[in-house]
Amino acid sequence: AQKITQTQPGMFVQEKEAVTLDCTYDTSDPSYGLFWYKQPSSGEMIFLIYQGSYDQQNATEGRYSLNFQKARKSANLVISASQLGDSAMYFCAMREGFHGNKLVFGSGTILRVKS
Amino acid sequence: GAGVSQSPRYKVAKRGQDVALRCDPISGHVSLFWYQQALGQGPEFLTYFQNEAQLDKSGLPSDRFFAERPEGSVSTLKIQRTQQEDSAVYLCASSTSGGATGELFFGEGSRLTVL
Repeated sequence: AQKITQTQPGMFVQEKEAVTLDCTYDTSDPSYGLFWYKQPSSGEMIFLIYQGSYDQQNATEGRYSLNFQKARKSANLVISASQLGDSAMYFCAMREGFHGNKLVFGSGTILRVKS
Repeated sequence: GAGVSQSPRYKVAKRGQDVALRCDPISGHVSLFWYQQALGQGPEFLTYFQNEAQLDKSGLPSDRFFAERPEGSVSTLKIQRTQQEDSAVYLCASSTSGGATGELFFGEGSRLTVL
């Protein structure tokens, strides 16, 4: 079964507007971590934000926030005030277990910011 | 160096040739991961090292793939008798042990094209 599902192959957003990138996950482990990475055309994976399964509040990092809905097993990324430099591929990933040793990635969403 | 360094950045091989891809992780990072990323897809886990010990190689697609990290720092991913389906970007990532989030720091990848 797919562990991480990103249903939006591509998204467009107008500069300065907010955009939500969807991610749902599947696990039976009560301890897990959820990550979002950005991959620009240069190829490097850039860590954006992390949410632990026991965290009570949604994670935020600058313009990035994670809308964590545990019962629905969703971990959507919200980017506020989009910038042209936000155009990239975005991956949702999960680590199972508090000391799990690997991340499982979704298939990604390409975001294009329009001026 | 400041980040994860991978070489070569680009490699073209004829089918049947052997290739070796090198990863120099962030100094002091105990954990090292190799991922394979096909075009338009998310990274797929290949193997994981903790120091020099290869603790998980469940993602290696065949016995043509071999990875080592003999001194617990630099790692080499070797692919023997390359096939066209091996064409992909090979990403290396490292992390500290016991880090709060387990965030992975990625290199820019080695793009392998098998003709």
